[in-house]
Amino acid sequence: EVQVMESGGGLVQPGGSLRLSCAASGFTFSSYAMSWVRQAPGKGLEWVSAITGSGGSTYYADSVKGRFTISRDSSKNTLYLQMNSLRAEDTAVYYCAKERDYSSPRGWLDPWGQGTLVTVSS
Amino acid sequence: QSVLTQPPSASGTPGQRVTISCSGSSSNIGTNYVYWYQQLPGTAPKVLIYRNNERPSGVPDRFSGSKSGTSASLAISGLRSEDEADYYCAAWDDSLSGVVFGGGTKLTVL
Repeated sequence: EVQVMESGGGLVQPGGSLRLSCAASGFTFSSYAMSWVRQAPGKGLEWVSAITGSGGSTYYADSVKGRFTISRDSSKNTLYLQMNSLRAEDTAVYYCAKERDYSSPRGWLDPWGQGTLVTVSS
Repeated sequence: QSVLTQPPSASGTPGQRVTISCSGSSSNIGTNYVYWYQQLPGTAPKVLIYRNNERPSGVPDRFSGSKSGTSASLAISGLRSEDEADYYCAAWDDSLSGVVFGGGTKLTVL
């Protein structure tokens, strides 16, 4: 069964850092692009970042560019999101999702993890 | 302000047919596939329609998608109470080099 599972969320002060992880199983990890998507409380979905299957290309939403870094470790079948200079508006549930059929991101995200909550507050 | 525009809400009675629109531009819907996601309360989103109009296995044929130019729509026929959820359209945007989502449509079954 194809599965992804996030971890690493929590409470962090404004200006702080946090690293999210996403453990993948049930598929050849290096063959598929991966994305992070977030959802602020009571709000809609916002795509955050994506990385190609090879890890050679990365993509970011303008709202996080320069502060967040996406990476992947194929030896551990794990996706990461390093989040620095966190702001209150970064408070959200962060979902990890596999690109269903492509090695480059296209928006066909399946499956999604259960999400991990990041709260930025003093 | 989302790149893709959806109505914030839609409603219908059981058995009715409802449609949800998604408007974009030439850099996203106009040149790339559209995907639709369903998010039931308290759960992660799941794909409902892929590549404009295809249904994953397990998704009832009551759900259908279409695309024309820079707009797309999701139709739900034979509305059921369990269809009450938030629905999002998404597409790759060539200008932004990123995935763009619509703001979401909350469907209420009256």
